[in-house]
Amino acid sequence: NAGVTQTPKFQVLKTGQSMTLQCAQDMNHNSMYWYRQDPGMGLRLIYYSASEGTTDKGEVPNGYNVSRLNKREFSLRLESAAPSQTSVYFCANIEPQGYEQYFGPGTRLTVT
Amino acid sequence: RKEVEQDPGPFNVPEGATVAFNCTYSNSASQSFFWYRQDCRKEPKLLMSVYSSGNEDGRFTAQLNRASQYISLLIRDSKLSDSATYLCVVTRYSTLTFGKGTMLLVSP
Repeated sequence: NAGVTQTPKFQVLKTGQSMTLQCAQDMNHNSMYWYRQDPGMGLRLIYYSASEGTTDKGEVPNGYNVSRLNKREFSLRLESAAPSQTSVYFCANIEPQGYEQYFGPGTRLTVT
Repeated sequence: RKEVEQDPGPFNVPEGATVAFNCTYSNSASQSFFWYRQDCRKEPKLLMSVYSSGNEDGRFTAQLNRASQYISLLIRDSKLSDSATYLCVVTRYSTLTFGKGTMLLVSP
């Protein structure tokens, strides 16, 4: 996965529980992203961080928070999980105008 | 109008066939364009960039038409291993917007 790691790979939560999805990259790129992918909906941007210390909302930010801890790490937190957040979550390390674009292997989250 | 639109398919083609996908985008200020490939239950992977002058990589050719706001991907001599979903991606500043993808199934 060209240096983008995500943990955990799988997770089952009960409604109302919280958790943090971890993402780390070792390519020294500035931009990092969190997407969710649902059947029939494609990839939708949750949050992104164009550089260390900055974060911005994407298309579907409600129910999520993010932290760009340093250049290497970008975490996604669900404070109170809901069944609608059942999805596959991908972290990406992307240079938007360039050719260095890599996704992590994904976290498959089920909220019951 | 959705920002990036693709025909979901599936496109069913025999090995050796030539197949083409189109993708339209709504924001004329979009800056860069890419095609990704995604295998079932795997992460998306960058396939190639798209330029107005055209971009060829082996059996794959991508083309951008800014005036009509669409991009295309042509696959020649299809292989079984080309079976996947192909995602069109449009960027503007730091954001990338993905189409929902076109599924390709190549059969023997």
